[in-house]
Amino acid sequence: QVHLVQSGAEVRKPGASVKVSCKASGYSFTNHAIHWVRQAPGQRLEWMGWIITGNGNTKYSQKFQDRVTITRDTSANTAYMELSGLRSEDSAVYYCVKGGAPPPGNWFDLWGQGSLVTVSS
Amino acid sequence: QSALTQPHSVSGSPGQSVTISCTGTSSDVGGYNYVSWYQQHPGKAPKLIIFDVSQRPSGVPDRFSGSKSGDTASLTISGLQAEDEADYYCCSEADRYIVIFGGGTKLTVL
Repeated sequence: QVHLVQSGAEVRKPGASVKVSCKASGYSFTNHAIHWVRQAPGQRLEWMGWIITGNGNTKYSQKFQDRVTITRDTSANTAYMELSGLRSEDSAVYYCVKGGAPPPGNWFDLWGQGSLVTVSS
Repeated sequence: QSALTQPHSVSGSPGQSVTISCTGTSSDVGGYNYVSWYQQHPGKAPKLIIFDVSQRPSGVPDRFSGSKSGDTASLTISGLQAEDEADYYCCSEADRYIVIFGGGTKLTVL
């Protein structure tokens, strides 16, 4: 079966960083980009960026450009999203999603279960 | 990049049809045939229902259809069913491989 399994919920203080993992299974990891999308409570979906897992190229939303880093470990079929300089507005569910073909793909046919990040002092 | 513009809410009775619009610019919706639509039930991850403006993934009923004219894309749901009640998001590729989502539309089945 095709899955994206994400790491668990995290609580961080303002100014800290968080790193969320996303393990893929059931498909060829390096043939599809991984994107990260977040959703604050009651808010819209917000695209953060992508990584082409085959070569490591990345693209970030201008909004997060200075604070987000997306990486991958092809030996572990896992992608990571690290967000630094956390503030309360970053409290949200963070999803990793599989991009369509060819990479980076602009549609998302497989979503992780989401990782809740809470930023609170 | 600003979010694509969707109506905040739409409603319809079972069996009826509803259409949700998604308005962007020539730099996103109008410039690419890469509009996708997602259905999200409360507390769940979104589900892809339309990609490349009008293509349906396998398993998505043909009651769901997509189209585009100029800078506006549309999702039409015909033969409304109770389980269609959800939030719907449009999404488009934009210049330089950026991705933009719409603000979301809440569909209520009366």
